[in-house]
Amino acid sequence: GQQLNQSPQSMFIQEGEDVSMNCTSSSIFNTWLWYKQDPGEGPVLLIALYKAGELTSNGRLTAQFGITRKDSFLNISASIPSDVGIYFCAGRYGGSQGNLIFGKGTKLSVKP
Amino acid sequence: GAVVSQHPSRVICKSGTSVKIECRSLDFQATTMFWYRQFPKQSLMLMATSNEGSKATYEQGVEKDKFLINHASLTLSTLTVTSAHPEDSSFYICSARDSRQSTWNTEAFFGQGTRLTVV
Repeated sequence: GQQLNQSPQSMFIQEGEDVSMNCTSSSIFNTWLWYKQDPGEGPVLLIALYKAGELTSNGRLTAQFGITRKDSFLNISASIPSDVGIYFCAGRYGGSQGNLIFGKGTKLSVKP
Repeated sequence: GAVVSQHPSRVICKSGTSVKIECRSLDFQATTMFWYRQFPKQSLMLMATSNEGSKATYEQGVEKDKFLINHASLTLSTLTVTSAHPEDSSFYICSARDSRQSTWNTEAFFGQGTRLTVV
């Protein structure tokens, strides 16, 4: 079945640094989504990508839908302590109403 | 984004009892809701897709008789864990898709999650 490989598994950075994480798959997806999850909470949608090559920003966050439709990356610029959390990528397959497949997450820690 | 409310946020129950978790879409109608399970430090695993007015679609390996799903209205889906055992302890999260969106890009928004502990 479809699988997403998300990396890195965890990151420990200094406040103000930029962060980059990515997801890859051997399968093609028609949508890529990036979520952030705080402890004990549900995931919150950060960015949604619908077209190959699409580059979308949400404040300090930027994400891109890979040209091959098999990968996506998320960048966070000038990190701040509240960026701490687990970031998940998710890909949709099987059409517009298809289910989501989630990556294993990237745990981000930011040192003030 | 759309608001999805999940209740309760935490529940502790005795082994052998049943627990019901509610998922509500507060400001939109959702013909489709999803139930996920998440183990500590793991990703979200889809358990089942809940369809309003019809039977839920369960993922492979998920016992439909153990995890009962009811989606009786456009704003409410419930997950009942029957005869719970300690191995059912987990974080259960629902999501709902806004039915009104006319484009094909209809995103699912997540509830706050329910931490179930079976003792």
